[in-house]
Amino acid sequence: DGGITQSPKYLFRKEGQNVTLSCEQNLNHDAMYWYRQDPGQGLRLIYYSQIVNDFQKGDIAEGYSVSREKKESFPLTVTSAQKNPTAFYLCASRRRTDREVGYTFGSGTRLTVV
Amino acid sequence: ELKVEQNPLFLSMQEGKNYTIYCNYSTTSDRLYWYRQDPGKSLESLFVLLSNGAVKQEGRLMASLDTKARLSTLHITAAVHDLSATYFCAVGPNTGNQFYFGTGTSLTVIP
Repeated sequence: DGGITQSPKYLFRKEGQNVTLSCEQNLNHDAMYWYRQDPGQGLRLIYYSQIVNDFQKGDIAEGYSVSREKKESFPLTVTSAQKNPTAFYLCASRRRTDREVGYTFGSGTRLTVV
Repeated sequence: ELKVEQNPLFLSMQEGKNYTIYCNYSTTSDRLYWYRQDPGKSLESLFVLLSNGAVKQEGRLMASLDTKARLSTLHITAAVHDLSATYFCAVGPNTGNQFYFGTGTSLTVIP
């Protein structure tokens, strides 16, 4: 079955470390997205990519970086510049030309600073 | 910037009762999506509303869209405990292929 796989499910980061969250999809979707969710709040867009080797900043891109070297993969790096990274991170994808369908979401990664 | 507002933010209701969650958005859009999120889990698609006047129903949930009023509603009929979750509406995609999410409504159904 096709879907989006996020790993790891839980991640612990020490102060000053960079960590990378993985997002892989086998849905042949061209657009991929990273969202951050804080407790009791909605989703905020970090970065998105509509095609390979291209990506755009979302509303809260500071302290994060991404790459899109393959259509299937859109990893997110949380850098030491992100001062408050503890949150639930969701990856999503969709086919750009399919306007009748929303996102398909991954299962999420919960990041905690220790 | 497109803004999406949901109300109420928190809803506690007894089993068997009816209630409506509202989703208002600030710019024109003819597409609106409803998602459900269980605690600690990802988002699951509930409804896709694609035109003015669209109505979709699944079990005890019914969603509608009024694009002229920029309003969508999610109506809960005869609530049961299994409906306890957080419900999000989302509007889009915009020209950048982004969707904008509401703040979510946390629903608790009390026996």
